[in-house]
Amino acid sequence: DSGVTQTPKHLITATGQRVTLRCSPRSGDLSVYWYQQSLDQGLQFLIQYYNGEERAKGNILERFSAQQFPDLHSELNLSSLELGDSALYFCASSGRQGAGTEAFFGQGTRLTVV
Amino acid sequence: AQKITQTQPGMFVQEKEAVTLDCTYDTSDQSYGLFWYKQPSSGEMIFLIYQGSYDEQNATEGRYSLNFQKARKSANLVISASQLGDSAMYFCAMREWDSSASKIIFGSGTRLSIRP
Repeated sequence: DSGVTQTPKHLITATGQRVTLRCSPRSGDLSVYWYQQSLDQGLQFLIQYYNGEERAKGNILERFSAQQFPDLHSELNLSSLELGDSALYFCASSGRQGAGTEAFFGQGTRLTVV
Repeated sequence: AQKITQTQPGMFVQEKEAVTLDCTYDTSDQSYGLFWYKQPSSGEMIFLIYQGSYDEQNATEGRYSLNFQKARKSANLVISASQLGDSAMYFCAMREWDSSASKIIFGSGTRLSIRP
């Protein structure tokens, strides 16, 4: 158990809909990262938050947004869903910003858009 | 530009043999970290090992060791005495950071299959 919790584990929804993925980082971790992994692909970095603030942005679509709350949990919002958004979405957490620490992943949310 | 390169899309290894998974990286930073993750068919990402750029000793975790060659910018994963349960996808990753942000970027992965 990595200590990072993602919910839900599976999500099936229709095109055009909006969903929210939730991530609770390991206790004490301030950084949260979101990644998208499409079928048989590598992990694409979406966005990073540190202690409630957005710090780094990757290939995140405008239809996607995220935030980190005061209790440090994070949510990834995906709207106007398309078939191509079907993927495994991971969050990871790590410790102090800039420190050489490990990053641990949650079990992922498998999103299927039909 | 590709920052993490894993040149072996797939590998087959006999059980109990050692295996080396290659990873090269590209960065101009002096301070960075290197990771290896295992992704079995169930999908979760399992942290295996971490190496900081200033660490003088190669990292080891049980059967896993990281062969860190800084001048060559390589961070190969060595698995000793491979087991059937080692069959999975393996990803090399790098974290660069400055005062305001850090990204962890991944290579394309190597699919390792262990033969009995």
